[in-house]
This record gives sequence, structure tokens and C-alpha cells, in this order.
Amino acid sequence: GAVVSQHPSWVICKSGTSVKIECRSLDFQATTMFWYRQFPKQSLMLMATSNEGSKATYEQGVEKDKFLINHASLTLSTLTVTSAHPEDSSFYICSARDTSSGPVETQYFGPGTRLLVL
Amino acid sequence: GQNIDQPTEMTATEGAIVQINCTYQTSGFNGLFWYQQHAGEAPTFLSYNVLDGLEEKGRFSSFLSRSKGYSYLLLKELQMKDSASYLCAPSGGYNKLIFGAGTRLAVHP
Repeated sequence: GAVVSQHPSWVICKSGTSVKIECRSLDFQATTMFWYRQFPKQSLMLMATSNEGSKATYEQGVEKDKFLINHASLTLSTLTVTSAHPEDSSFYICSARDTSSGPVETQYFGPGTRLLVL
Repeated sequence: GQNIDQPTEMTATEGAIVQINCTYQTSGFNGLFWYQQHAGEAPTFLSYNVLDGLEEKGRFSSFLSRSKGYSYLLLKELQMKDSASYLCAPSGGYNKLIFGAGTRLAVHP
């Protein structure tokens, strides 16, 4: 099946620093990847859609200058949380859409990255 | 508007059958996905419906009625490892998935 990896799985950083999270599709090419954030016992909230070779599309209320997204290749998207603050502490999950799987363009999720900002 | 409605919590006994209902309203519709999410982990894909009717996949089945904005996930022969959250996620405009809070299922011996 389609496999998506994320790195790192855990990050602890000081307030004001920037953190980069990588999302890779390991056995398929993904022209579109998605970045979500999930707070404890809440639903996944879509932050942005990452498009290979073009600018990301951000959801309403998500600051594009704070959450920088780069999708430089068909297998890699990165999310950089700039000047992180404690309220940015959350579980960040990426997904990649496998367009080669036929008419069902299933989104496969990475294992997630838990960010703790002190 | 967009809205997903699922029961917050359910309990069931090992070996039993449980049905998790989901009603939804979306501005566009490209199908409905069900995902399983264990605590502290990312969601894993379970099933997908785009046409009305039942899709069966081993112990899991999913049903869709587009006219009613309704779906359910049926889990048979429950096992302890099935204790998890189950997320109903319709695919709306631009193939974006819309997630509700999910249903936390607890399976007891």
C-alpha cells in the first residue's frame, strides 16, 4: 500500500525558533499533499494544500507567513513553523493523495509530528 | 455550510457487531472516506464510498446514501485492537477531506 513518512516524529523547541517538518511519499508520486493540525481530542483541521511546483493554498485563518510550505518534488513537501510559540504546540499530520490508485484518490497519512514549544 | 455529525463515544463487546453512523453536509461531494485513528497516531484508511450502497472489506463495511447525506461504518467480529476513533470524512470541493471529531469506540472483553 501507499506509504507516507514524516520526520521528525517529535520536536521540542524554544519559543521563537523555527521548526521544519518533512513529509515524503515513499512508493508513489504525489502532486498534492495536505497539512493538518490536531489538538487533543479534537478533529483534524486542514491547514493548507501543498501543490508540487506551485504555491500552497491555505485555509481561512491560517497564516501563510507563519506556516511556510514548500513542495519542491513529487515526493516531498515541507512545513516550516516560523517563530514558534507555545500555542503552536500540536500534532501536525501530512497526507498525500495517490492519484495513480485509479478513480479513488485516497489520501494516505503520515505518522504525524508532535511539536512542543516551550 | 459544512458539518459532520457522528456519535462522540460508543462501547461494544469483543466479538460483537457495531454500527457507527455519520450524517454530513458539504458544499461539494466527491465521495466519503472512513479512517481509523488510534490514540496518538495518524489516521489509517479503511474504506471509500462514492456511489450509494454497501462496500464490504473483510470485517469492515461502509454504506452511503447521498440523497440523505448519510453513511455508516459496520464493524463485525470486534477485536480489542478495534478500540480507536473512527473518522467519517466526506470529500468536498477540490478533493479536500472534511473531518468531524470522530467516534471513540471502546471494545470490552
